Amino acid sequence: AQKVTQAQTEISVVEKEDVTLDCVYETRDTTYYLFWYKQPPSGELVFLIRRNSFDEQNEISGRYSWNFQKSTSSFNFTITASQVVDSAVYFCALSEANSGGSNYKLTFGKGTLLTVNP
Amino acid sequence: ETGVTQTPRHLVMGMTNKKSLKCEQHLGHNAMYWYKQSAKKPLELMFVYSLEERVENNSVPSRFSPECPNSSHLFLHLHTLQPEDSALYLCASSPALNQGPDTQYFGPGTRLTVL
Repeated sequence: AQKVTQAQTEISVVEKEDVTLDCVYETRDTTYYLFWYKQPPSGELVFLIRRNSFDEQNEISGRYSWNFQKSTSSFNFTITASQVVDSAVYFCALSEANSGGSNYKLTFGKGTLLTVNP
Repeated sequence: ETGVTQTPRHLVMGMTNKKSLKCEQHLGHNAMYWYKQSAKKPLELMFVYSLEERVENNSVPSRFSPECPNSSHLFLHLHTLQPEDSALYLCASSPALNQGPDTQYFGPGTRLTVL
């Protein structure tokens, strides 16, 4: 069975600090997809990134970067120079490509509440 | 409008009421989803539709009744709900099921309170 663990329930930082959100996953599938979503107080889950299991290249998008390590089953998310607008709950999620024809099933972690203080 | 929209954004209803949640996607996607997000619990997948056909009913009580009249619209009809059904109900859409990696895009949700 697939599982996603976000051990950090809440993180509080001061603006301009760098912060890393941890995500550890478990899966028996060899092909899978990892996601990060942001949920601001308004409620909408905003898609941030999808990473395929066969692509271990790290990715940078502006102040956001993602570190995918298959060896440790981790897909961590770093925000550089955090801003107050980054305050939100961040979810890591996993879907398996070969789960009996239901690759749409996302397993979400419990989320990490990030608070960025001015 | 762009993306995925949901109405109403907030809903308060009694246990004997009947109401409906509406979702509309403007992304040209073929699949649509209903999720339930309760406090302190992971997101729960409720229903999945692909090209207006239901492909997933995740053991959801019959007091929740989905309807997908076309690939752009999804409804969730509610009747005789319980207080524990109070939650944020999120709609999502994705390009196509089971055709390689598929990313779901979410709406803003309907915050439902059952009195």
